[in-house]
Amino acid sequence: EAGVTQFPSHSVIEKGQTVTLRCDPISGHDNLYWYRRVMGKEIKFLLHFVKESKQDESGMPNNRFLAERTGGTYSTLKVQPAELEDSGVYFCASSQDGLAGVGQETQYFGPGTRLLVL
Amino acid sequence: DAKTTQPNSMESNEEEPVHLPCNHSTISGTDYIHWYRQLPSQGPEYVIHGLTSNVNNRMASLAIAEDRKSSTLILHRATLRDAAVYYCILRQYYGGATNKLIFGTGTLLAVQP
Repeated sequence: EAGVTQFPSHSVIEKGQTVTLRCDPISGHDNLYWYRRVMGKEIKFLLHFVKESKQDESGMPNNRFLAERTGGTYSTLKVQPAELEDSGVYFCASSQDGLAGVGQETQYFGPGTRLLVL
Repeated sequence: DAKTTQPNSMESNEEEPVHLPCNHSTISGTDYIHWYRQLPSQGPEYVIHGLTSNVNNRMASLAIAEDRKSSTLILHRATLRDAAVYYCILRQYYGGATNKLIFGTGTLLAVQP
């Protein structure tokens, strides 16, 4: 079974440009999450989709970030316009909906997209 | 969310057991204890979780104190591949609880050959 995949693996852009990150979750996983680690900081939650709906977007830093999950399959995270402080590693994770509840949910992470804004 | 405290770093020798501690003195009765790890240049990876009883799986064991205010992740025989940052995370199980993982700084485990 294929794991969570993310594209691109690396992206280098200039300040003010737009970048779109893509995440393909594990097939059949309704939950999809975006996290990021900016330089020297801890991994932080950005948002959570259940199928195509945004369940929790409390971690989105500002309106320069737009996440979509049309059709409830893959997701994109667009940063427009990118700023220097957006540099970091963006992780996507997915999980199944389970009867055991949130406490026992396992999230499966992709390898991340390393974004560098110059 | 209840907070966890872990040592910043630990060292181990290959083939020896490793005990990674985590303090969570404000844990509530509805909190599961989860461990994830992040290998270099990879995304975080689930290791194990438990509620009250000790747990074993193919990767590790989780020992939970009787009062649940601390836990220990045990790698029985460390390999070079186990060098990673290990995160101890609390997660509530009741309906409506947030699904997001809250990562702290974790413990950086170095394994010496």
